[in-house]
Amino acid sequence: NAGVTQTPKFQVLKTGQSMTLQCAQDMNHEYMSWYRQDPGMGLRLIHYSVGAGITDQGEVPNGYNVSRSTTEDFPLRLLSAAPSQTSVYFCASSAGGPLNEQYFGPGTRLTVT
Amino acid sequence: GQQVMQIPQYQHVQEGEDFTTYCNSSTTLSNIQWYKQRPGGHPVFLIQLVKSGEVKKQKRLTFQFGEAKKNSSLHITATQTTDVGTYFCAGPNFGNEKLTFGTGTRLTIIP
Repeated sequence: NAGVTQTPKFQVLKTGQSMTLQCAQDMNHEYMSWYRQDPGMGLRLIHYSVGAGITDQGEVPNGYNVSRSTTEDFPLRLLSAAPSQTSVYFCASSAGGPLNEQYFGPGTRLTVT
Repeated sequence: GQQVMQIPQYQHVQEGEDFTTYCNSSTTLSNIQWYKQRPGGHPVFLIQLVKSGEVKKQKRLTFQFGEAKKNSSLHITATQTTDVGTYFCAGPNFGNEKLTFGTGTRLTIIP
């Protein structure tokens, strides 16, 4: 099992550009989520999904879109990148939702200039 | 909304000294989870506590869940260089739909 995979590992964008961060898991987990990590602020939830076709907003959803067309994939789209979105992005999945162990991907380090 | 705070934000200890990080939630938690993130890495699950007053041990690590299920602590005895990293607590929100992470405690070890 590959676990949770994320691509790309690093990305530099110019302000206003759009892009999609990919996340996939091969553990058949229903629950998936996206977090951003900034110094001193821990991990903040952007969006989450309890299963295919169902998504909802987390703590900091503005500027991001998600979709969940399959159980395996949960892409995160930046609509119009801003310097404030410079961060490290982690995708996670879990068999039992937020009540259970979260498996994290290796992260994507995004810089917006 | 739910807030989860951790103190201290940073801790520098000599190798062999003990280390403790404290986690406090603004709401009662159904469980508390602890994660470790090595420098440059991703968070990795350590343990989950469910019951009020629960204490669990993993070798030199001792985890406690408060009686009111609003606070928790992680204590490391006789730190080693392999303990370096950031320790996060996390708890589900009231509806058990979202997981809120604490702000983390970054531990550095002075050899």
